[in-house]
Amino acid sequence: AQSVTQPDIHITVSEGASLELRCNYSYGATPYLFWYVQSPGQGLQLLLKYFSGDTLVQGIKGFEAEFKRSQSSFNLRKPSVHWSDAAEYFCAVGPQGQAGTALIFGKGTTLSVSS
Amino acid sequence: DVKVTQSSRYLVKRTGEKVFLECVQDMDHENMFWYRQDPGLGLRLIYFSYDVKMKEKGDIPEGYSVSREKKERFSLILESASTNQTSMYLCASSFRQGAGQPQHFGDGTRLSIL
Repeated sequence: AQSVTQPDIHITVSEGASLELRCNYSYGATPYLFWYVQSPGQGLQLLLKYFSGDTLVQGIKGFEAEFKRSQSSFNLRKPSVHWSDAAEYFCAVGPQGQAGTALIFGKGTTLSVSS
Repeated sequence: DVKVTQSSRYLVKRTGEKVFLECVQDMDHENMFWYRQDPGLGLRLIYFSYDVKMKEKGDIPEGYSVSREKKERFSLILESASTNQTSMYLCASSFRQGAGQPQHFGDGTRLSIL
């Protein structure tokens, strides 16, 4: 079955430290991959996406993610975290070549930033 | 920028009421989606629509229905609201064709059923 796993429910990082949020997926073929961020009381905002080409993708707010086919992973990274990055982060996977179907979301990772 | 607008940010209703949640997008997207979000459960798909008057059940359609009479508008209906439908509801939209089309989300409606 298609699925997305975010192994970490909650992560706390010191301001200025680096960040890596993990995402693993189970899928029959190369999927489209997305990371979204949700600030408290808000909807989801797209951070970045991968669907082909360079496996390291750059997104907004200084985030990047690397697609590793051999590990079925799409981990999100940021070299230096700011207090405003505290939010919930969702990884999502979509079917390749099947437009009109829904994304599958992980259960999310909550990021807290300590000073 | 894509704008997905949900009619209410907060809504309080009573059990047994018929509840309408409205969502409008301004980018001519073919696809529209309704999710509910609960702590520890992430986003769960209720229904989606890939064209006017078309709908597909998601993972948790029970107790809900939808209506899509116009391309820009997608309504979620709770036929007879119950307390277990208290949740955050998120609407999203996307293009149907083309590689890697992301979904764009509204700000959500926090619904409380008393």
